[in-house]
Amino acid sequence: QTVVTQEPSLTVSPGGTVTLTCASSTGAVTSDYYANWFQQKPGQPPRALIYTTDMKHSWTPARFSGSLLGGKAALTLSGVQPEDEAEYYCLLMSGNAWVFGGGTKLTVL
Amino acid sequence: QVQLVQSGPEVPEPGASVKVSCQASGYTFTSYYIHWVRQAPGQGLEWMGLVNPGGTTNYAQKFRGRVTMTRDTATNMVYMDLRRLRSDDTAVYYCAREYHGGHFDYWGQGTQVTVSS
Repeated sequence: QTVVTQEPSLTVSPGGTVTLTCASSTGAVTSDYYANWFQQKPGQPPRALIYTTDMKHSWTPARFSGSLLGGKAALTLSGVQPEDEAEYYCLLMSGNAWVFGGGTKLTVL
Repeated sequence: QVQLVQSGPEVPEPGASVKVSCQASGYTFTSYYIHWVRQAPGQGLEWMGLVNPGGTTNYAQKFRGRVTMTRDTATNMVYMDLRRLRSDDTAVYYCAREYHGGHFDYWGQGTQVTVSS
């Protein structure tokens, strides 16, 4: 059973830059893992931000970007805004199943 | 516009079953996967399984034997049936759309399932 690991929490100042990562217990994350990133605020369903590692949806703010970094999937927020405070989840494909990371609670302070 | 609209809250008893629906509209229903994801109170997201464009299903190992996902192409509905419910099945259940190749985009609003006697 694949385990996907994210930082439990991160804090960033408004206007700053922060990178969230997503690691797989099976080894280095590659484009074959089709990494997706989602943002979730309390009481709301998840909102898709990034698909297939680095592709943005039409509604994804330009300050969000996805990449592969040091064997992990990564989500970078540049010029963080107060409204970016939320929980962020990555999702990786593993075999013919999908596995979510445990989520990163991002605090903007 | 694309919409996934889910059925309302459910309060089944332990040991019973629950069937949650997801009404798709605004796109070609048979061209996309539909996934089911749940979130227990205060917890993270958990992938449960999917129905592919051809109607074939694939379930997370944890739920095999207890879950059935089906679709009706005449009404563009997808269903998730979970049996032998326990208290730890209490969660919000979501449907989500994927275009082949890992392109997740739209989500349903969620359905609260509370297992309680």
